[in-house]
Amino acid sequence: KNEVEQSPQNLTAQEGEFITINCSYSVGISALHWLQQHPGGGIVSLFMLSSGKKKHGRLIATINIQEKHSSLHITASHPRDSAVYICAVKRDTGNQFYFGTGTSLTVIP
Amino acid sequence: NAGVTQTPKFRVLKTGQSMTLLCAQDMNHEYMYWYRQDPGMGLRLIHYSVGEGTTAKGEVPDGYNVSRLKKQNFLLGLESAAPSQTSVYFCASSYGAFGTQYFGPGTRLLVL
Repeated sequence: KNEVEQSPQNLTAQEGEFITINCSYSVGISALHWLQQHPGGGIVSLFMLSSGKKKHGRLIATINIQEKHSSLHITASHPRDSAVYICAVKRDTGNQFYFGTGTSLTVIP
Repeated sequence: NAGVTQTPKFRVLKTGQSMTLLCAQDMNHEYMYWYRQDPGMGLRLIHYSVGEGTTAKGEVPDGYNVSRLKKQNFLLGLESAAPSQTSVYFCASSYGAFGTQYFGPGTRLLVL
């Protein structure tokens, strides 16, 4: 049983397209993280949010606590956005984290 | 400011051997985490620490031990390595429970 589900698993887009990656979770949470894993393996935290919406550059993350769902949007996608995007949730009790298996994004020039 | 570093980057072990992975951070973070990442599975939390001298179990702690003797270091030990422990291990740290997690570059471990 996966506490965190992401969709789609793989995504190919043309440069400039608007991209949406979805994350659904089944447990009570206190926070949700979006991470980016580069092709070389390095992991970078993009957002941490517990409600509403956050924006950083071309990236926008939203969360709906009632529906247990979050989305990561990339506007005007670029080949350098090609990476695996990972959703992670922090349980509302204790310090346990659960991760999705990631969405592999390829942006074609 | 090196951030989070991990030693070694790659290691091959034989079944039954022991080893220690070192994670170091220079950001004065209280929280530190050890994860493993396997193909087709998400990152899974092995152990974590909320401060010097404290450790706690995560989702998959069996076969691993940890120590946090100094605030900046978090050690992950494998006492008797098994092929099932072949994985990529990531360390991370954060300022608090809700802080941004900063990840190390990973350690690739192969157990034969």
